[in-house]
Amino acid sequence: GQQLNQSPQSMFIQEGEDVSMNCTSSSIFNTWLWYKQDPGEGPVLLIALYKAGELTSNGRLTAQFGITRKDSFLNISASIPSDVGIYFCAGQFNGKAASNFGNEKLTFGTGTRLTIIP
Amino acid sequence: DARVTQTPRHKVTEMGQEVTMRCQPILGHNTVFWYRQTMMQGLELLAYFRNRAPLDDSGMPKDRFSAEMPDATLATLKIQPSEPRDSAVYFCASGFRTGGRADTQYFGPGTRLTVL
Repeated sequence: GQQLNQSPQSMFIQEGEDVSMNCTSSSIFNTWLWYKQDPGEGPVLLIALYKAGELTSNGRLTAQFGITRKDSFLNISASIPSDVGIYFCAGQFNGKAASNFGNEKLTFGTGTRLTIIP
Repeated sequence: DARVTQTPRHKVTEMGQEVTMRCQPILGHNTVFWYRQTMMQGLELLAYFRNRAPLDDSGMPKDRFSAEMPDATLATLKIQPSEPRDSAVYFCASGFRTGGRADTQYFGPGTRLTVL
């Protein structure tokens, strides 16, 4: 199935550094989501974006919905050890209520694996 | 703290055996999704339901996979017969949709399936 292109694929950083990752698509979406997955667990929602240009923060995390609606960005400031994991973007296209079929389907990115070097 | 639960968490079986995975969505959620995660393919949607009715199972190999919701508190994913290429982590997610914007999806912890 279709996947969104996420970059970088992996990052090795030191504690305290800032992190940036992005996600691009050939299709437009009207919702972008960012998830984090810890080993042995399911993805957990971090931030949801619903409008082109929107900038939303959740603690040290900030995500942006690209103006073209084909990309999104996630930044983590002052990384800490518990930030380690795999970060996934996901795009969703919600049509009108009258055409519900397929609207909930998420298309996931390929993931960015974040490792913090001691 | 409402969560999606999945059982079993781990399953090792032999090729040809039937496998049943179960999911209990968050109470009140009306949409349930089944995903498969592998290193090669990432997260793939297999099927999803709204109000217990199947809406899309185009991601699922129909000859061996089946998904059902016997009631609002239980979703099942069956593989019969299982094959080694089915080895993956299977996630269930639930959400709530009403009107325009679909609610976000909340994932369970997954079932790690190994088919020998």
